[in-house]
Amino acid sequence: QQQVKQSPQSLIVQKGGISIINCAYENTAFDYFPWYQQFPGKGPALLIAIRPDVSEKKEGRFTISFNKSAKQFSLHIMDSQPGDSATYFCAAVDYDKIIFGKGTRLHILP
Amino acid sequence: SQTIHQWPATLVQPVGSPLSLECTVEGTSNPNLYWYRQAAGRGLQLLFYSVGIGQISSEVPQNLSASRPQDRQFILSSKKLLLSDSGFYLCAWSISGTLETQYFGPGTRLLVL
Repeated sequence: QQQVKQSPQSLIVQKGGISIINCAYENTAFDYFPWYQQFPGKGPALLIAIRPDVSEKKEGRFTISFNKSAKQFSLHIMDSQPGDSATYFCAAVDYDKIIFGKGTRLHILP
Repeated sequence: SQTIHQWPATLVQPVGSPLSLECTVEGTSNPNLYWYRQAAGRGLQLLFYSVGIGQISSEVPQNLSASRPQDRQFILSSKKLLLSDSGFYLCAWSISGTLETQYFGPGTRLLVL
């Protein structure tokens, strides 16, 4: 019940394509859903986040889609660039816990 | 602005040796502090978190311990390292009272031989 399931584990996308990473959760108490981006050898950094009362949030080329009834959310990277190559983690947060997905290693082909 | 420091950046230690990793945060008061471990190619495992000086919660039983001797200082320790302790250790902080946004440090890469 405390897990956040993230897929795929790895993803290869052509430059200019759309990268899509999916996450699913079980605990309906979660009320904040961030995505973190991690480059090799660095700590993760917050990329974008959404609350369950919103179905979509867009920041530049990055969009979170949220489906509350299905308990799923996804990250879309439009016009993917080689500089987007990184590991992406979704997470789910409630007042006293944060659960991370296992991460998706994204590689954008030049 | 807030910054978070971790040291050392890399560490190679023999099995059975002690460990001390330090994390400090600047530019904020009474932060929540966290220690995570990231094994190669795997996700983030929360090891410890602290909501105040001397207050430590452990998420995973193991041979590691954590201490918070000052408001913005968080230390991860071990008396005897195991091979399985190898990994990338990340310290993070969040604003007091919320876990919503975690700000991660640069990490310490530990190799136990």
